[in-house]
Amino acid sequence: GENVEQHPSTLSVQEGDSAVIKCTYSDSASNYFPWYKQELGKGPQLIIDIRSNVGEKKDQRIAVTLNKTAKHFSLHITETQPEDSAVYFCAASMEYGNKLVFGAGTILRVKS
Amino acid sequence: ETGVTQSPTHLIKTRGQQVTLRCSSQSGHNTVSWYQQALGQGPQFIFQYYREEENGRGNFPPRFSGLQFPNYSSELNVNALELDDSALYLCASSLLARGTEAFFGQGTRLTVV
Repeated sequence: GENVEQHPSTLSVQEGDSAVIKCTYSDSASNYFPWYKQELGKGPQLIIDIRSNVGEKKDQRIAVTLNKTAKHFSLHITETQPEDSAVYFCAASMEYGNKLVFGAGTILRVKS
Repeated sequence: ETGVTQSPTHLIKTRGQQVTLRCSSQSGHNTVSWYQQALGQGPQFIFQYYREEENGRGNFPPRFSGLQFPNYSSELNVNALELDDSALYLCASSLLARGTEAFFGQGTRLTVV
């Protein structure tokens, strides 16, 4: 079955700097790659996603890139703010938003 | 807010007991998936319900079972609770036929003592 690895497990950045979180997946049949942000005591919130027919997608300060050949995808957050501090999860699926396989998560701390 | 609501928010049960968790899906969504999130880990897929039938299951034993109702709301039942079942249980809704995103509820924190 699909396996998703996520790095780093923790990331500390200074406010205003960029943050990059990387994931790899094992099953080339996966075609959908969402990123979720989870704050303490809350459920995961979808922040951006990308489908396998696209190499890059951007939404304001957040961007995601996908390299299907290498089976890598990455989350890029620019101009980080303290409210970006949370746990971020990548995921992969062969059925869009269904039967998601998650990475282990990255704790992002933005220091002001 | 996603429109996906779960109840209760917190629950404490004794080992060996049974528990039922509930989820109301987002308006217009016909698919509900359940995930288990142990402390410090990513969510793990338990199973999915589509049109009131199980439509895929992860690596969880049969004592984890579910239901989906005609209004697309869902229940997760866990029998013979074990200490390792302590986790955050998440419900996600989506629209299967159109390949949409999954939106999560706030979760139910289950503690087994």
